Amino acid sequence: GAGVSQSPSNKVTEKGKDVELRCDPISGHTALYWYRQSLGQGLEFLIYFQGNSAPDKSGLPSDRFSAERTGGSVSTLTIQRTQQEDSAVYLCASSLGLAGGYSTDTQYFGPGTRLTVL
Amino acid sequence: RKEVEQDPGPFNVPEGATVAFNCTYSNSASQSFFWYRQDCRKEPKLLMSVYSSGNEDGRFTAQLNRASQYISLLIRDSKLSDSATYLCVVNSDRGSTLGRLYFGRGTQLTVWP
Repeated sequence: GAGVSQSPSNKVTEKGKDVELRCDPISGHTALYWYRQSLGQGLEFLIYFQGNSAPDKSGLPSDRFSAERTGGSVSTLTIQRTQQEDSAVYLCASSLGLAGGYSTDTQYFGPGTRLTVL
Repeated sequence: RKEVEQDPGPFNVPEGATVAFNCTYSNSASQSFFWYRQDCRKEPKLLMSVYSSGNEDGRFTAQLNRASQYISLLIRDSKLSDSATYLCVVNSDRGSTLGRLYFGRGTQLTVWP
């Protein structure tokens, strides 16, 4: 079946502009995650949605970052007033979450959006 | 201190070699452990989960030592296609297998012919 999809695949923007990154999770997955990966760095957790519960925003680096998930499916990550240090690959993942009944919950990643802030 | 520490490598080994990667984690309450594989400019993909009793999947063997907070991955009979970055991953939500994952920086492996 279809995996996690993300758009755009690449985004180049100017410092100070706002950007929106989109994630379509695997159908039926109730949990959705955003991570970012900077050059030479490990993946950094940003935010986690589980069903209709309040999201875990503890990884968002500043108030310029926000995310929403509409209808329990598609998610949008918004970065306002982008800075050069925001340049990274932004990865979305989804998992069965509470919809599953397994002892471990595998996260499946999308191909990512490569953001470059000039 | 980082949640998950890994030797970044790189490891350069010939085909057929056996290679081992290690990682340590800082949160003793961690519940779930994984190895992910990431090819160059691609997304991470689950290689295998790591269970307390140790587990094997073909040429790959994963071990967990909770007392030492240490995880290992052993690859036997290395293939060219094993060349990738291997990510040690820990879920640290107490009492839950869901939620945020903590990733090590990854260990780079190159298998040469």
